[in-house]
Amino acid sequence: GAVVSQHPSWVICKSGTSVKIECRSLDFQATTMFWYRQFPKQSLMLMATSNEGSKATYEQGVEKDKFLINHASLTLSTLTVTSAHPEDSSFYICSARGGYQETQYFGPGTRLLVL
Amino acid sequence: KQEVTQIPAALSVPEGENLVLNCSFTDSAIYNLQWFRQDPGKGLTSLLLIQSSQREQTSGRLNASLDKSSGRSTLYIAASQPGDSATYLCAVAAGGGNKLTFGTGTQLKVEL
Repeated sequence: GAVVSQHPSWVICKSGTSVKIECRSLDFQATTMFWYRQFPKQSLMLMATSNEGSKATYEQGVEKDKFLINHASLTLSTLTVTSAHPEDSSFYICSARGGYQETQYFGPGTRLLVL
Repeated sequence: KQEVTQIPAALSVPEGENLVLNCSFTDSAIYNLQWFRQDPGKGLTSLLLIQSSQREQTSGRLNASLDKSSGRSTLYIAASQPGDSATYLCAVAAGGGNKLTFGTGTQLKVEL
Protein backbone atom coordinates (compact mmCIF):
# COMPACT_ATOMS: atom_id res chain seq x y z
CA GLY A 1 0.00 0.00 0.00
CA ALA A 2 0.87 3.66 -0.13
CA VAL A 3 3.52 4.79 2.33
CA VAL A 4 3.97 8.18 3.93
CA SER A 5 7.05 8.97 5.97
CA GLN A 6 7.79 11.74 8.43
CA HIS A 7 11.12 13.04 9.64
CA PRO A 8 12.12 13.41 12.35
CA SER A 9 10.06 10.97 14.40
CA TRP A 10 10.66 13.04 17.51
CA VAL A 11 12.44 16.24 18.37
CA ILE A 12 13.28 18.17 21.51
CA CYS A 13 14.11 21.84 21.16
CA LYS A 14 14.55 24.95 23.24
CA SER A 15 11.88 27.59 23.44
CA GLY A 16 12.29 30.20 20.72
CA THR A 17 13.87 27.94 18.13
CA SER A 18 12.29 26.80 14.88
CA VAL A 19 11.67 23.19 13.98
CA LYS A 20 11.08 21.73 10.53
CA ILE A 21 9.12 18.52 10.00
CA GLU A 22 9.13 16.73 6.64
CA CYS A 23 6.34 14.64 5.19
CA ARG A 24 7.00 12.48 2.15
CA SER A 25 4.82 10.24 0.03
CA LEU A 26 7.20 7.44 -0.90
CA ASP A 27 5.48 5.57 -3.69
CA PHE A 28 2.81 7.87 -5.02
CA GLN A 29 2.29 11.48 -5.97
CA ALA A 30 0.20 13.55 -3.63
CA THR A 31 -1.27 16.75 -4.91
CA THR A 32 -2.73 17.41 -1.49
CA MET A 33 -1.17 16.92 1.92
CA PHE A 34 -2.67 17.61 5.31
CA TRP A 35 -1.15 18.50 8.66
CA TYR A 36 -2.80 17.48 11.93
CA ARG A 37 -1.98 18.07 15.55
CA GLN A 38 -2.86 15.72 18.37
CA PHE A 39 -2.62 16.60 22.05
CA PRO A 40 -2.41 13.82 24.65
CA LYS A 41 -5.63 11.86 25.05
CA GLN A 42 -7.29 13.94 22.34
CA SER A 43 -8.20 13.35 18.75
CA LEU A 44 -6.55 14.73 15.66
CA MET A 45 -7.25 18.32 14.70
CA LEU A 46 -6.65 19.46 11.15
CA MET A 47 -4.26 22.38 11.03
CA ALA A 48 -3.92 23.04 7.33
CA THR A 49 -4.32 21.67 3.85
CA SER A 50 -1.49 22.13 1.38
CA ASN A 51 -1.63 21.75 -2.38
CA GLU A 52 1.51 21.39 -4.42
CA GLY A 53 2.72 24.70 -5.73
CA SER A 54 0.21 26.88 -3.93
CA LYS A 55 -0.28 28.43 -0.52
CA ALA A 56 -1.65 26.31 2.28
CA THR A 57 -5.17 26.72 3.58
CA TYR A 58 -5.21 27.03 7.35
CA GLU A 59 -8.02 26.04 9.68
CA GLN A 60 -9.59 28.65 11.89
CA GLY A 61 -7.44 29.43 14.89
CA VAL A 62 -4.19 28.17 13.38
CA GLU A 63 -1.56 30.90 12.96
CA LYS A 64 -0.12 30.73 9.46
CA ASP A 65 2.92 32.79 10.43
CA LYS A 66 3.74 30.39 13.21
CA PHE A 67 3.16 27.16 11.32
CA LEU A 68 4.79 27.61 7.93
CA ILE A 69 3.85 25.01 5.36
CA ASN A 70 5.67 24.46 2.09
CA HIS A 71 4.55 21.93 -0.52
CA ALA A 72 7.26 22.27 -3.13
CA SER A 73 6.82 18.95 -4.90
CA LEU A 74 4.26 16.19 -5.37
CA THR A 75 6.02 14.04 -2.79
CA LEU A 76 7.18 16.47 -0.13
CA SER A 77 5.53 18.89 2.28
CA THR A 78 7.23 20.58 5.22
CA LEU A 79 5.84 22.11 8.38
CA THR A 80 8.01 24.61 10.21
CA VAL A 81 7.08 25.56 13.73
CA THR A 82 8.62 29.00 14.14
CA SER A 83 9.69 30.39 17.51
CA ALA A 84 8.40 27.29 19.25
CA HIS A 85 7.01 27.54 22.78
CA PRO A 86 6.17 24.80 25.29
CA GLU A 87 2.48 25.00 24.36
CA ASP A 88 3.44 23.90 20.83
CA SER A 89 4.55 20.56 22.24
CA SER A 90 2.35 18.01 20.55
CA PHE A 91 2.19 15.08 18.17
CA TYR A 92 2.16 16.29 14.57
CA ILE A 93 0.84 13.93 11.90
CA CYS A 94 0.74 14.49 8.17
CA SER A 95 -1.31 12.72 5.56
CA ALA A 96 -1.08 12.58 1.80
CA ARG A 97 -4.01 12.12 -0.49
CA GLY A 98 -3.67 9.92 -3.54
CA GLY A 99 -4.02 6.46 -4.95
CA TYR A 100 -7.20 4.44 -5.12
CA GLN A 101 -10.27 6.44 -4.22
CA GLU A 102 -8.04 9.38 -3.33
CA THR A 103 -7.61 7.97 0.16
CA GLN A 104 -5.62 9.83 2.78
CA TYR A 105 -2.55 7.90 3.90
CA PHE A 106 -1.09 8.92 7.23
CA GLY A 107 2.50 9.31 8.30
CA PRO A 108 3.83 7.86 11.57
CA GLY A 109 3.82 11.23 13.30
CA THR A 110 6.44 13.51 14.84
CA ARG A 111 6.50 14.13 18.55
CA LEU A 112 7.68 17.65 19.39
CA LEU A 113 8.75 18.65 22.88
CA VAL A 114 9.62 22.28 23.47
CA LEU A 115 11.51 22.98 26.68
CA LYS B 1 -19.70 22.50 11.73
CA GLN B 2 -19.31 18.72 11.68
CA GLU B 3 -18.92 17.08 15.07
CA VAL B 4 -17.98 13.45 15.51
CA THR B 5 -18.52 11.57 18.77
CA GLN B 6 -17.42 8.09 19.72
CA ILE B 7 -18.89 5.95 22.46
CA PRO B 8 -17.60 4.46 24.63
CA ALA B 9 -14.45 6.44 25.33
CA ALA B 10 -12.79 3.34 26.75
CA LEU B 11 -13.59 -0.33 26.72
CA SER B 12 -12.00 -3.37 28.33
CA VAL B 13 -13.07 -6.86 27.27
CA PRO B 14 -11.81 -10.42 27.70
CA GLU B 15 -10.18 -12.12 24.77
CA GLY B 16 -12.58 -13.77 22.35
CA GLU B 17 -15.46 -11.42 22.93
CA ASN B 18 -17.28 -9.76 20.04
CA LEU B 19 -17.60 -6.01 20.45
CA VAL B 20 -19.11 -2.92 18.85
CA LEU B 21 -17.69 0.57 18.73
CA ASN B 22 -19.98 3.46 17.95
CA CYS B 23 -19.45 6.65 16.00
CA SER B 24 -21.99 9.42 15.44
CA PHE B 25 -21.76 12.56 13.36
CA THR B 26 -23.95 15.64 13.22
CA ASP B 27 -23.91 16.49 9.50
CA SER B 28 -25.11 13.66 7.28
CA ALA B 29 -23.73 15.25 4.10
CA ILE B 30 -20.55 13.21 4.12
CA TYR B 31 -18.33 11.97 1.31
CA ASN B 32 -17.09 8.91 3.16
CA LEU B 33 -16.36 7.57 6.62
CA GLN B 34 -13.20 5.86 7.69
CA TRP B 35 -12.16 3.82 10.71
CA PHE B 36 -8.56 4.00 11.90
CA ARG B 37 -6.47 2.29 14.49
CA GLN B 38 -3.82 4.15 16.46
CA ASP B 39 -1.29 2.44 18.69
CA PRO B 40 0.26 4.49 21.54
CA GLY B 41 2.65 7.12 20.22
CA LYS B 42 2.15 5.99 16.64
CA GLY B 43 0.44 7.22 13.52
CA LEU B 44 -2.83 5.99 12.06
CA THR B 45 -3.58 2.76 10.27
CA SER B 46 -6.63 2.79 8.03
CA LEU B 47 -8.93 -0.15 8.73
CA LEU B 48 -12.02 0.38 6.63
CA LEU B 49 -13.39 3.10 4.37
CA ILE B 50 -17.09 3.33 3.56
CA GLN B 51 -18.22 5.56 0.74
CA SER B 52 -21.39 7.56 1.34
CA SER B 53 -23.30 5.33 -1.09
CA GLN B 54 -22.32 2.15 0.76
CA ARG B 55 -23.83 0.62 3.88
CA GLU B 56 -21.00 -1.57 5.09
CA GLN B 57 -17.48 -2.81 4.50
CA THR B 58 -15.77 -5.92 5.80
CA SER B 59 -12.15 -6.85 6.28
CA GLY B 60 -11.31 -10.03 8.12
CA ARG B 61 -12.74 -9.85 11.63
CA LEU B 62 -13.81 -6.25 11.15
CA ASN B 63 -17.13 -5.04 9.84
CA ALA B 64 -18.13 -1.39 9.61
CA SER B 65 -21.62 -0.15 8.88
CA LEU B 66 -22.86 3.26 7.89
CA ASP B 67 -26.32 4.77 8.33
CA LYS B 68 -25.92 8.19 6.84
CA SER B 69 -29.47 9.36 7.49
CA SER B 70 -29.15 8.80 11.23
CA GLY B 71 -25.54 9.94 11.36
CA ARG B 72 -24.18 6.70 12.76
CA SER B 73 -21.49 4.15 12.06
CA THR B 74 -20.48 1.07 13.97
CA LEU B 75 -17.29 -0.95 13.93
CA TYR B 76 -17.82 -4.59 14.81
CA ILE B 77 -14.81 -6.62 15.92
CA ALA B 78 -15.31 -10.36 16.06
CA ALA B 79 -13.40 -12.71 18.35
CA SER B 80 -11.25 -9.97 19.84
CA GLN B 81 -7.55 -10.60 20.50
CA PRO B 82 -5.00 -8.84 22.74
CA GLY B 83 -3.36 -7.52 19.58
CA ASP B 84 -6.54 -5.56 18.89
CA SER B 85 -5.77 -3.33 21.87
CA ALA B 86 -5.42 0.22 20.55
CA THR B 87 -7.36 3.43 20.12
CA TYR B 88 -9.93 3.33 17.36
CA LEU B 89 -10.82 6.54 15.59
CA CYS B 90 -13.57 7.23 13.13
CA ALA B 91 -13.35 10.14 10.73
CA VAL B 92 -15.84 11.60 8.30
CA ALA B 93 -14.89 13.32 5.10
CA ALA B 94 -16.87 16.09 3.49
CA GLY B 95 -16.45 18.23 0.42
CA GLY B 96 -15.07 15.71 -2.04
CA GLY B 97 -13.23 13.77 0.60
CA ASN B 98 -10.74 16.49 1.35
CA LYS B 99 -11.28 17.46 4.95
CA LEU B 100 -11.44 14.79 7.65
CA THR B 101 -13.14 15.40 10.97
CA PHE B 102 -12.03 12.93 13.59
CA GLY B 103 -13.97 11.51 16.47
CA THR B 104 -12.76 11.47 20.02
CA GLY B 105 -11.66 7.84 19.86
CA THR B 106 -12.38 4.64 21.76
CA GLN B 107 -9.50 3.16 23.71
CA LEU B 108 -9.83 -0.61 23.56
CA LYS B 109 -8.07 -3.10 25.79
CA VAL B 110 -8.45 -6.81 25.17
CA GLU B 111 -7.29 -8.86 28.12
CA LEU B 112 -6.04 -12.42 28.22
